[in-house]
Amino acid sequence: QKEVEQNSGPLSVPEGAIASLNCTYSDRVSQSFFWYRQYSGKSPELIMSIYSNGDKEDGRFTAQLNKASQYVSLLIRDSQPSDSATYLCAVRRIGTASKLTFGTGTRLQVTL
Amino acid sequence: GAGVSQSPSNKVTEKGKDVELRCDPISGHTALYWYRQSLGQGLEFLIYFQGNSAPDKSGLPSDRFSAERTGGSVSTLTIQRTQQEDSAVYLCASSPGGGGNTEAFFGQGTRLTVV
Repeated sequence: QKEVEQNSGPLSVPEGAIASLNCTYSDRVSQSFFWYRQYSGKSPELIMSIYSNGDKEDGRFTAQLNKASQYVSLLIRDSQPSDSATYLCAVRRIGTASKLTFGTGTRLQVTL
Repeated sequence: GAGVSQSPSNKVTEKGKDVELRCDPISGHTALYWYRQSLGQGLEFLIYFQGNSAPDKSGLPSDRFSAERTGGSVSTLTIQRTQQEDSAVYLCASSPGGGGNTEAFFGQGTRLTVV
């Protein structure tokens, strides 16, 4: 079982719709969760972090964390063509000497 | 600097040569990561430095790969006797600390091509 799993996609949504990206993780002691956006040929860019169960909203983005079910999701409201990218989920477990583990990413396509 | 800086941006090398890739983290960041990303693939963890702790080298794919971090700042990733399968983008990231609730920021990467 992979430590962090994402559906590779592509996930295709029409402009203006809500895009829902999901991520599951296997390590129950995971503490911190991050979403990165990566445009083709570019390096990953941090867009959201979440540490507690529940929802965290930032503009059009909402991160949702459910530690009991071991999943984290990212909702993008009013999707725009510029949101078309690969979205990477990353997880860090408890502890000061712990690495950041990434999923393989979900490719999102926002269509006109 | 304002962000994580990596050099060179691009490197073309002949098979069998050694290469050094450099990462200059955000000032004050104590944690530093190296990842590798092959074309169309996800991020493969290589090595993680946190302060004065022993680095987590569990992701280094072979003994041809090594990394150092001098003075808790700049890091160098060295690949000896490069092979064609080493061709990838090598990404460095840094974060303020190794604790759980700290965010990591990436440099622009070094694209390595082994011919």
